[in-house]
Amino acid sequence: QLQLQESGPGLVKPSETLSLTCTVSGGSISSTSYYWGWIRQPPGKGLEWIGTIYYSGRTYYNPSLKSRVTISVDTSKNQFSLKLSSVTAADTAVYYCAGSHCSGGICYIGWFEPWGQGTLVTVSS
Amino acid sequence: QSALTQSPSTSGTPGQRVTISCSGSSSNIGSNYVYWYQQLPGTAPKLLIYTNNQRPSGVPDRFSGSKSGTSASLAISGLRSEDEADYYCAAWDDSLSGVVFGGGTKLTVL
Repeated sequence: QLQLQESGPGLVKPSETLSLTCTVSGGSISSTSYYWGWIRQPPGKGLEWIGTIYYSGRTYYNPSLKSRVTISVDTSKNQFSLKLSSVTAADTAVYYCAGSHCSGGICYIGWFEPWGQGTLVTVSS
Repeated sequence: QSALTQSPSTSGTPGQRVTISCSGSSSNIGSNYVYWYQQLPGTAPKLLIYTNNQRPSGVPDRFSGSKSGTSASLAISGLRSEDEADYYCAAWDDSLSGVVFGGGTKLTVL
């Protein structure tokens, strides 16, 4: 059974870069059956898609965050990562990683399953 | 402001049928699949409906999804107290080349 787990600092200073890693277990990150994505949720607010990556390195980013976001994949460690630069208090959120299904050569990037448990990142000095 | 519009809240009594709506545009719901997620308090979202109206294994058939034009709906029949949660719709948006979520609907079981 595929499982995802986020890891990284829970506190980041304003103007610095937020860095998170998602470790995939129970399956290979190089599988053609998944894209890998990041979604965040500010406290008390709704879900916001950040971006998605395929094992080959192909990426899709939220246009509103694109200038600050980098998502990468490390197949040797079965991990993918998120970097968000120049953070402010508005970037305080629970950050989730999730897999998106591909089937029959078609990938459904809005289809998020499974999800990691999420990790709270607070931006504060 | 979310690209997909949902009512902030709705409520129902046990056993009742409730419907949660999600309104979009031709670039998202109108031309792509809709997904629904359930988020219980303090937990990660859970996939409830995929590709408009399909239920993953383990999701009760009390939950059903539909789509018409640029709108989609999630129906919950035989409402139970454990259905009290936040519900989100999502879809790919061709104009943004990205995934858009609705703002979420908080369901209260009275």
